[in-house]
Amino acid sequence: GESVGLHLPTLSVQEGDNSIINCAYSNSASDYFIWYKQESGKGPQFIIDIRSNMDKRQGQRVTVLLNKTVKHLSLQIAATQPGDSAVYFCAEKRTGANSKLTFGKGITLSVRP
Amino acid sequence: DAGITQSPRYKITETGRQVTLMCHQTWSHSYMFWYRQDLGHGLRLIYYSAAADITDKGEVPDGYVVSRSKTENFPLTLESATRSQTSVYFCATQGRPNSNQPQHFGDGTRLSIL
Repeated sequence: GESVGLHLPTLSVQEGDNSIINCAYSNSASDYFIWYKQESGKGPQFIIDIRSNMDKRQGQRVTVLLNKTVKHLSLQIAATQPGDSAVYFCAEKRTGANSKLTFGKGITLSVRP
Repeated sequence: DAGITQSPRYKITETGRQVTLMCHQTWSHSYMFWYRQDLGHGLRLIYYSAAADITDKGEVPDGYVVSRSKTENFPLTLESATRSQTSVYFCATQGRPNSNQPQHFGDGTRLSIL
């Protein structure tokens, strides 16, 4: 699979390959992180979340990794499918932020058949 | 289970007009949020509400007004629309306040101001 930071707008992967989407967060006081998927014409859809006391969390075909030392979050999608084509973005909640989230700008994942 | 319903889905209006975007949830979630989404800016928080009759400003509140007289509804009003308010608006909810839970989003209202 390929990896790219959120400062690059598009990630193109071959169907069946693994995708890795990266996110750098800025606030070491953030205690909760979420990945969202947004398809064209729809609202953001929750994929997976992770608390700051964890390093890794797995879902169905997705894994989120958290590296607090370098303030880095990644989303791994196994066996990428055409239906995974969407915009993905991370969000962080800072401790004491009263449930408010800060969102990254997003990256487009394009799956080649 | 309808979840979050936003209406209208699309709206075109003119500069200076008042327009209200509706958000209705069926989950009885405490927190509700309004965001706008623009290219290059991502999601930006306009206003949020912790419970009925409790609202607070977010990152970009100017030109917007909200109210929350009932838990299930959180309307957003543009009192005098400007072209810079052309955007896609999303409503979101979250169950328990001050908890590590994801926000859940509606499908948005695409607003164009001519």
